[in-house]
Amino acid sequence: EPEVTQTPSHQVTQMGQEVILRCVPISNHLYFYWYRQILGQKVEFLVSFYNNEISEKSEIFDDQFSVERPDGSNFTLKIRSTKLEDSAMYFCASSFSAMNTGELFFGEGSRLTVL
Amino acid sequence: AQSVAQPEDQVKVAEGNPLTVKCTYSVSGNPYLFWYVQYPNRGLQFLLKYITGDNLVKGSYGFEAEFNKSQTSFHLKKPSALVSDSALYFCAVRDPLSGSARQLTFGSGTQLTVLP
Repeated sequence: EPEVTQTPSHQVTQMGQEVILRCVPISNHLYFYWYRQILGQKVEFLVSFYNNEISEKSEIFDDQFSVERPDGSNFTLKIRSTKLEDSAMYFCASSFSAMNTGELFFGEGSRLTVL
Repeated sequence: AQSVAQPEDQVKVAEGNPLTVKCTYSVSGNPYLFWYVQYPNRGLQFLLKYITGDNLVKGSYGFEAEFNKSQTSFHLKKPSALVSDSALYFCAVRDPLSGSARQLTFGSGTQLTVLP
């Protein structure tokens, strides 16, 4: 069964460092997303991406964050200068359709720890 | 603004007993509702969804959920729990008027433990 894959599974970084989280969405999917979950809190939407551009972003997704689809398979989330409060589990998701009825397929997450 | 509540952080049931994981929602119009499950060290897996039609929807692994508009609820159920059902369960809601996946709002999750 096709799945969304994410790397790394866990990254530890120092505050102020740049971090890139990588995702390989399901191959025929067209819409890509990043969500995050701070420990013990809700899963929160960060950004959605379609046709090589951001289609929606939340208030969390400030100038420190960026996304990119550098080739036909990868979808990356970059945090330019990490803060302590960026420590969270980051989930990539993809869907074939942006229709409201469509479910998202999630990766297993990348745990980011900022020291 | 849309929201979803899972009033129980934890639910424990004995294997073979029926289980219910509760979810209530708040949206301005008719909701689209989803259940996801997260096993340890795994991502969120889609279980089932309610879009329209029959209030009882069936999903993966024998789970089902009942949409109740008057009570604004979408409780997840299974007639006979298995130890392997032990996991973290998330309810999510989408406002069909929003036109964007941004509006997929998750609950805080309920940890289900099925005791052997």
